[in-house]
Amino acid sequence: ETGVTQTPRHLVMGMTNKKSLKCEQHLGHNAMYWYKQSAKKPLELMFVYNFKEQTENNSVPSRFSPECPNSSHLFLHLHTLQPEDSALYLCASSPAGLAGVAADTQYFGPGTRLTVL
Amino acid sequence: GQQVMQIPQYQHVQEGEDFTTYCNSSTTLSNIQWYKQRPGGHPVFLIQLVKSGEVKKQKRLTFQFGEAKKNSSLHITATQTTDVGTYFCLMGGGSNYKLTFGKGTLLTVNP
Repeated sequence: ETGVTQTPRHLVMGMTNKKSLKCEQHLGHNAMYWYKQSAKKPLELMFVYNFKEQTENNSVPSRFSPECPNSSHLFLHLHTLQPEDSALYLCASSPAGLAGVAADTQYFGPGTRLTVL
Repeated sequence: GQQVMQIPQYQHVQEGEDFTTYCNSSTTLSNIQWYKQRPGGHPVFLIQLVKSGEVKKQKRLTFQFGEAKKNSSLHITATQTTDVGTYFCLMGGGSNYKLTFGKGTLLTVNP
């Protein structure tokens, strides 16, 4: 247990569905991240939030919409996904602070295995 | 932009043999971190290197950061079956926040 939880752990959805992934951290951290991990590809950083403000959006399609209501919770809202979006979606958190996140240790959640039919 | 290469992509060894994975960056890094992901698991932090030429050890694992802060290696001495997994480097670069993961090296160990 790293102190980062993700729900659901598995999700199957159709291309017309709308669903949300949830991440919660109990570590008192200030930064939270969404990553996508596909087979045979490196971990892809999608979004970064630092003190609830989005500081990074790595050209992610608009069908993925993040939300960070507070430093402990992070959501990823999904709509009209494509089969190629099937992957493991990992959430992470790090202490961060005013100096930024570049040297932070990241603590990962167990991930949500997403399948888009 | 920053380009990261991690090699090899796969490594299969007999238990007791050594293993090394390398990460190389096209730009000078501010720091590098190493993570391990067991099959079916999530990445877990191993270590962070910050100083030029830094060497750190954790039991059978030795981590090095190059003098130019553009490359790093993770070496495991006398592998065990518990070492199985994918080892990733996470490179932090430049004055602006930028994090890039290497593709990972999948290590399998034959008992």
